Amino acid sequence: KAGVTQTPRYLIKTRGQQVTLSCSPISGHRSVSWYQQTPGQGLQFLFEYFSETQRNKGNFPGRFSGRQFSNSRSEMNVSTLELGDSALYLCASGSGLEYYEQYFGPGTRLTVT
Amino acid sequence: AQSVTQPDIHITVSEGASLELRCNYSYGATPYLFWYVQSPGQGLQLLLKYFSGDTLVQGIKGFEAEFKRSQSSFNLRKPSVHWSDAAEYFCAVGDRAGGTSYGKLTFGQGTILTVHP
Repeated sequence: KAGVTQTPRYLIKTRGQQVTLSCSPISGHRSVSWYQQTPGQGLQFLFEYFSETQRNKGNFPGRFSGRQFSNSRSEMNVSTLELGDSALYLCASGSGLEYYEQYFGPGTRLTVT
Repeated sequence: AQSVTQPDIHITVSEGASLELRCNYSYGATPYLFWYVQSPGQGLQLLLKYFSGDTLVQGIKGFEAEFKRSQSSFNLRKPSVHWSDAAEYFCAVGDRAGGTSYGKLTFGQGTILTVHP
């Protein structure tokens, strides 16, 4: 089975721009979660999607949004980029059922200048 | 609110030596615990998980972890470390966060493992 894929792997944007990151889960997985990883704050939960519905959301401003499509692929969007948004954005997929493990993709490294 | 503490930021061991990475959690209900490993520039790889049942769980790459409810701990162990084990290790607890699943993971700050030949 193919693993979780994320595109693009690297991205450089300018402050004030917006960006869209994409995540394709493992085949058969219905849940996709997004995490932000920075040296200062570590790994922080952004949101979880299951069957095209946002099920959980972390403590991030409204500039961070996401969606999930009927094929379980997910996109994450950050509008009005700030320097502090520079981070590794990780996507994880899982079954989405009561207890489930999550498998992570390689991440998208976003640099905001 | 749930939290995870990994007291050791950096650990150095010699190849062939045993390893124990500490993890303490704070969670109001029965925890749902994981250990992940991350190599530089890579995503996180799941080493093992605890959902319920046997408190000693086996994972990949020869790792094991023991859940101790009385100590709120979930320490990761390996009897003999290999140079390829050098990486950063993260402990995490799953949380409902008001939703219907344990999809939200709260991570510790990580422990960087260095292995000397």
